Amino acid sequence: KNEVEQSPQNLTAQEGEFITINCSYSVGISALHWLQQHPGGGIVSLFMLSSGKKKHGRLIATINIQEKHSSLHITASHPRDSAVYICAVRSWGSQGNLIFGKGTKLSVKP
Amino acid sequence: NAGVTQTPKFQVLKTGQSMTLQCAQDMNHNSMYWYRQDPGMGLRLIYYSASEGTTDKGEVPNGYNVSRLNKREFSLRLESAAPSQTSVYFCASSVGGEDTEAFFGQGTRLTVV
Repeated sequence: KNEVEQSPQNLTAQEGEFITINCSYSVGISALHWLQQHPGGGIVSLFMLSSGKKKHGRLIATINIQEKHSSLHITASHPRDSAVYICAVRSWGSQGNLIFGKGTKLSVKP
Repeated sequence: NAGVTQTPKFQVLKTGQSMTLQCAQDMNHNSMYWYRQDPGMGLRLIYYSASEGTTDKGEVPNGYNVSRLNKREFSLRLESAAPSQTSVYFCASSVGGEDTEAFFGQGTRLTVV
């Protein structure tokens, strides 16, 4: 069983829709990261969180440490949000190393 | 501010050839990492360097070597490339420790034929 599981694997939405991507993990963590990867491009960090909720523009990330679960929400989705969203966790004692989920491929249609 | 710079962006090698992937960061970060990304799999750690002068194996180190040349630079070497090493390689860096943000390079797409 993977230590970091994301759902769904693929997601197609219409422009303007509210989107949720889920991440569950099975290890104790010091932080959880949400990353964005555009086609053919590099990887950009969106959020790093260890508790509660963070918001940046139309993106919101939440984490429930007790349930070992995090969600990434996109409000008023736009075609430029189309990308792969990756959840990664930093487990305790890992010397800072990240464990990655397989990613969620989001396509937003105009 | 360049962040993390990887070279080259694309490379095609023949089986058995060697090459070095270069990575440099200008953020004065202590820790640097090399990952590979394969279809249907999450990024997997090849090697990392927690600080200048130290390197450690990650999840998939076989067939690779690394050098932490100085605090800025962390190179990945394939001594004898194999088709199984066809992948996209990412270098990353962070300040270090348990709770720090990671910064990634643009990736190197390597094909071994």
